[in-house]
Amino acid sequence: QSVLTQPPSVSGTPGQRVTISCSGSSSNIGSNYVHWYQQLPGTAPRLLIYRNNQRPSGVPDRFSGSKSGTSASLAISGLRSEDEADYYCAAWTDSVSGWVFGGGTKLTVL
Amino acid sequence: QVQLQESGPGLVKPSETLSLTCAVSDYSISSGYYWGWIRQPPGKGLEWIGTIYHSGSTNYNPSLKSRITISVDTSKNQFSLKLSSVTAADTAVYYCARGGATILNEAFDIWGQGTMVTVSS
Repeated sequence: QSVLTQPPSVSGTPGQRVTISCSGSSSNIGSNYVHWYQQLPGTAPRLLIYRNNQRPSGVPDRFSGSKSGTSASLAISGLRSEDEADYYCAAWTDSVSGWVFGGGTKLTVL
Repeated sequence: QVQLQESGPGLVKPSETLSLTCAVSDYSISSGYYWGWIRQPPGKGLEWIGTIYHSGSTNYNPSLKSRITISVDTSKNQFSLKLSSVTAADTAVYYCARGGATILNEAFDIWGQGTMVTVSS
């Protein structure tokens, strides 16, 4: 069981907006940045959102992140078929001086 | 553009030591940044293994700490992972990645393509 809790799966239709939640604790999300990674099938993870809500260059503004207290969310608007992937949240955990990842959420575009 | 490339044996016997190297191109490791190892068992999620700073200081996953050694070789511009006493549970795709420039809690922004390691006799 992962330290950060994500829903195993979410789905949506093209053009729709979906959100993926990530729940943690005061020692990880509550006191550190949350980052989000996208993993397309058969590929390495790619940084999607850093420092809670910042997008690296090249990431469409359809992707947005937010954080409140010990939880964070990734929102994807204008859903496209190429968004079908696994999404992981991650945060540094002060109590163990290490990284923790969410269990991952599989996004299906119907 | 900074690139990372993992290399090492694809098959390791149980109880032996898994050894992987991550070669960094277009950036000198000695100049800075944290560098990490992350793994992903087949069909499962990501698990952080450990991180090393360019100076050599390390942070390890507590659940793996007794079996891990991560080191950096600035002369070869690469960093390495050794995981001892492996079992089938260590079968995974192993990724190397670049972390923050000076702060541990910054994201892994550049990843290698990953290398599959199978533990089997």
